Amino acid sequence: QVQLVESGGGVVQPGRSLRLSCAASGFTFSSYGMHWVRQAPGKGLEWVAVISYDGNYEYYADSVKGRFTISRDNSKNTLYLQMNSLRAEDTAVYYCAKVALIYYDNSGRLDYWGQGTLVTVSS
Amino acid sequence: QSVLTQPPSASGTPGQRVTISCSGSSSNIGSNTVNWYQQLPGTAPKLVIYYNNQRPSGVPDRFSGSKSGTSASLAISGLQSEDEGDYYCATWHDSLNVLLFGGGTKLTVL
Repeated sequence: QVQLVESGGGVVQPGRSLRLSCAASGFTFSSYGMHWVRQAPGKGLEWVAVISYDGNYEYYADSVKGRFTISRDNSKNTLYLQMNSLRAEDTAVYYCAKVALIYYDNSGRLDYWGQGTLVTVSS
Repeated sequence: QSVLTQPPSASGTPGQRVTISCSGSSSNIGSNTVNWYQQLPGTAPKLVIYYNNQRPSGVPDRFSGSKSGTSASLAISGLQSEDEGDYYCATWHDSLNVLLFGGGTKLTVL
């Protein structure tokens, strides 16, 4: 069965960096695009970034553009989110999610989600 | 402030039918398909409707979706207590290359 397991969250000071990982199993990871979506405490869902199945394209929300980088290692079945210059407003649970269709899928249809990892940015 | 507008709350009694709306524009909902996500308390979101009106395997047929122009709706019939949670609409914005989420609707089963 499909499993997505995020890790790497924790407490970090403003301005510092953190890298999140999402370990995937149960499907051919290298054939599917992947997203990061976050949720601030008590707030709604906010899309963060997407990467294509082959890593050839990436898109970001304006709120993280230039500070966050999404990447993947298909040999390790792992998705990453490098977060630099962290701000208090980046405090959230970060979810990784798999697109539903093989190869190219820009429908926003995310069929599997991880359990999330909490990032707290605080001095 | 989300680009996709949802009512902040909705409610119904067991067995009732409730609908949740999602309003957008010609550049988002008007030109792409809409998905709906259910988030039960303390859990990750779950896809309940995709391509405007399709249900993933395992989602009860009490859940249905529709889209007309720049708006979409999620309907839940035969409301059950386990349906209580937050519901989000989402659509891809082709020209901006971003995934848009609605602000979410908190569904309460009275």
